[in-house]
Amino acid sequence: GAVVSQHPSRVICKSGTSVKIECRSLDFQATTMFWYRQFPKQSLMLMATSNEGSKATYEQGVEKDKFLINHASLTLSTLTVTSAHPEDSSFYICSASSSRETQYFGPGTRLLVL
Amino acid sequence: RKEVEQDPGPFNVPEGATVAFNCTYSNSASQSFFWYRQDCRKEPKLLMSVYSSGNEDGRFTAQLNRASQYISLLIRDSKLSDSATYLCVVNEISGTYKYIFGTGTRLKVLA
Repeated sequence: GAVVSQHPSRVICKSGTSVKIECRSLDFQATTMFWYRQFPKQSLMLMATSNEGSKATYEQGVEKDKFLINHASLTLSTLTVTSAHPEDSSFYICSASSSRETQYFGPGTRLLVL
Repeated sequence: RKEVEQDPGPFNVPEGATVAFNCTYSNSASQSFFWYRQDCRKEPKLLMSVYSSGNEDGRFTAQLNRASQYISLLIRDSKLSDSATYLCVVNEISGTYKYIFGTGTRLKVLA
């Protein structure tokens, strides 16, 4: 149980385009979903926390207008990287949780912006 | 000071060795603690939770010292397959709860 999927697993796009990443909890209802970013040789950095049906809470330094998060249902959250630039190239990982204790991680999406 | 600090390593150890990783955290109000394992280019996977009384899972033993704000992971009889990055994670429950990740400690087990 507690499976989280992400789609796509890998995406290459041109600078200036927008990219949408989906995160789904497959066998449980996730009241909270988290979006992380990981640059090479660095740890995971929390970007934002989203609760179903409400606005996401962004961490300091993360632009909410650039990284649009929608958590429309208890099993789906999306992250849209708008007007992507090469410096946005990174490994984006979501996690989902139904409690205040345990997060289940998706397999991640590797984004490369040319 | 970083919220969760780890020695980045790498720790290069021979098969069969015992290796220990340490982690310190700065927020004394932190509620729960975990060790995650992350393989190259993959998502982190939960290795074990860490309890105040200490806990063991096979070759892995985790300890928590709340007074010193210190967490440890001991791996006995290292296997080649243990090679990975080990992430110390602190769960802060203040308002909206969130995981704070350490930078990770790289382990290479050598044949």
